Amino acid sequence: NAGVTQTPKFRVLKTGQSMTLLCAQDMNHEYMYWYRQDPGMGLRLIHYSVGEGTTAKGEVPDGYNVSRLKKQNFLLGLESAAPSQTSVYFCASSRDATNEKLFFGSGTQLSVL
Amino acid sequence: AQKITQTQPGMFVQEKEAVTLDCTYDTSDPSYGLFWYKQPSSGEMIFLIYQGSYDQQNATEGRYSLNFQKARKSANLVISASQLGDSAMYFCAMREHTRGSTLGRLYFGRGTQLTVWP
Repeated sequence: NAGVTQTPKFRVLKTGQSMTLLCAQDMNHEYMYWYRQDPGMGLRLIHYSVGEGTTAKGEVPDGYNVSRLKKQNFLLGLESAAPSQTSVYFCASSRDATNEKLFFGSGTQLSVL
Repeated sequence: AQKITQTQPGMFVQEKEAVTLDCTYDTSDPSYGLFWYKQPSSGEMIFLIYQGSYDQQNATEGRYSLNFQKARKSANLVISASQLGDSAMYFCAMREHTRGSTLGRLYFGRGTQLTVWP
């Protein structure tokens, strides 16, 4: 019962470095999401996808790119990391866009120095 | 404007007592869903309860119930008989079902930190 798996769990970057966070789900879900969580701010949507090959911007998309080449994977990229991107990143998926709950990954703690 | 507002940054309740966590939302979509998630100190996000805008009755799941007042646009979470393990951050969230450009998005509030004391 893997559900939603995020890798890596922790990462430290220097300003300007790039990295990719990988999210994989094994539930054949159509919708996938990337959120960031900062103290006192709740979860804010970065990008999301409504199906393979499609992506859309969320509330805070600047500085991030995403790709969904395969239905089960949703990648979040940081091309040039900034200290403001220090955060906990959560991936989530859901079967559809109505009453289906989101299944969350365990999160990635990213620090940008 | 914020879609979800949680006005209580922190709440305290004694074990075995009931507690209500407030949530108000903002939408013009006639069809939407409201969710509550729990995040313990371990960081995982745990789904608690769901309420659809057309549901006639308030949702209940064990010790959790959702006090849904549609006219007031509020969806408060009620936890009965609090336990020490209920200490966690609680998030209210909303998804609009018919708005084309935002379909699929789940908006979260800033959360309420609940502390249960013995």
